[in-house]
Amino acid sequence: DQQVKQNSPSLSVQEGRISILNCDYTNSMFDYFLWYKKYPAEGPTFLISISSIKDKNEDGRFTVFLNKSAKHLSLHIVPSQPGDSAVYFCAASADEGTYKYIFGTGTRLKVLA
Amino acid sequence: SAVISQKPSRDICQRGTSLTIQCQVDSQVTMMFWYRQQPGQSLTLIATANQGSEATYESGFVIDKFPISRPNLTFSTLTVSNMSPEDSSIYLCSVVYYKGGVYGYTFGSGTRLTVV
Repeated sequence: DQQVKQNSPSLSVQEGRISILNCDYTNSMFDYFLWYKKYPAEGPTFLISISSIKDKNEDGRFTVFLNKSAKHLSLHIVPSQPGDSAVYFCAASADEGTYKYIFGTGTRLKVLA
Repeated sequence: SAVISQKPSRDICQRGTSLTIQCQVDSQVTMMFWYRQQPGQSLTLIATANQGSEATYESGFVIDKFPISRPNLTFSTLTVSNMSPEDSSIYLCSVVYYKGGVYGYTFGSGTRLTVV
């Protein structure tokens, strides 16, 4: 059973527009969430996090929104740049202290110049 | 941030053999983990590498198949033993570190393993 789901395997966005990547989870015990970006032949790179006590966290062009009642989080990238083209993973943990995360399958973002 | 050097980056191995993957971090880190990403799948946690003691394995993973060492706070190895084609995956180490009052999360670049 996939506890963390990224239902869109791919997304194409025009440069300068907003990219919205979605992530749904099933375990209501999850209380800490991460987004990673992965380029080909590289390991995932940490982007941004959010804990369940917040509903929004912003870092530059990246904003993560958390809707606990819907068990849904999203990553917004504004404005999108060609260098943002990568695979994006969301990850969730039920115990921040253990740092054990369940990952989604990823969404491949392509930003068109 | 912590910088991870993971070796080898890729390998092609014969079934029945073993491969040891190394993960070297440029600073002492709080926690180290080993993940596997099978083709078309998400990253799956194999185990938490504990410094000076036996690793903590997740459900479905056992020490005999994936022995792990962590002799100090900057280094860990994962061995994939008695390999079969089903072990063909990308294996990644990951660390959590504490610096400047915040926690950071970093992955190695991964080891792409093909078993033939």
